[in-house]
Amino acid sequence: EPEVTQTPSHQVTQMGQEVILRCVPISNHLYFYWYRQILGQKVEFLVSFYNNEISEKSEIFDDQFSVERPDGSNFTLKIRSTKLEDSAMYFCASTRDGQIIRAWYFGPGTRLTVT
Amino acid sequence: AQKITQTQPGMFVQEKEAVTLDCTYDTSDPSYGLFWYKQPSSGEMIFLIYQGSYDQQNATEGRYSLNFQKARKSANLVISASQLGDSAMYFCAMREGQGGSEKLVFGKGTKLTVNP
Repeated sequence: EPEVTQTPSHQVTQMGQEVILRCVPISNHLYFYWYRQILGQKVEFLVSFYNNEISEKSEIFDDQFSVERPDGSNFTLKIRSTKLEDSAMYFCASTRDGQIIRAWYFGPGTRLTVT
Repeated sequence: AQKITQTQPGMFVQEKEAVTLDCTYDTSDPSYGLFWYKQPSSGEMIFLIYQGSYDQQNATEGRYSLNFQKARKSANLVISASQLGDSAMYFCAMREGQGGSEKLVFGKGTKLTVNP
């Protein structure tokens, strides 16, 4: 069964460094998302991406964040200058139209630790 | 204001018993979708079940069923015959927005512990 994949599974970085989190969505999906989950808290929407542009972003998604679909398969989240409060699990998700149940399929997540 | 409310931070159930996890939602859109996800300790988000606002029947998927009460704006998850492997966090979520702006909004989750 097709699945969303994410790399790396765990990333440790120092405050102020740039990180890039990578995702490969399901191949026939058209809508891509990043969510984050601070430890012990709920899953929060960051950004949605459709037709090669951001369709919506939350207030969390400030100028330090950017997303890109550099080729036909990868979808990346870049944090330019990480802060301690960026430590969280980051989930990529994808979905598409035309399904009876339009389910969001989530990747396994990348645990980002900022020290 | 909370759009998805899960009032049970933690629930306990005996193996083989049934358990209901509560979820209420708030929306003024006539068309919406409700989802339940399971998050085991390993961290991944596993899609369990979906209920559309216009669906006439309650959704079922194996041991999972959704008790959808539209007038009360509730979408409770019922897990029958609980298994030890059901121990996990469970999140209720609602689809909101249109087209490319659709997104899922999550509740705070319920931690389910299945006791042997």
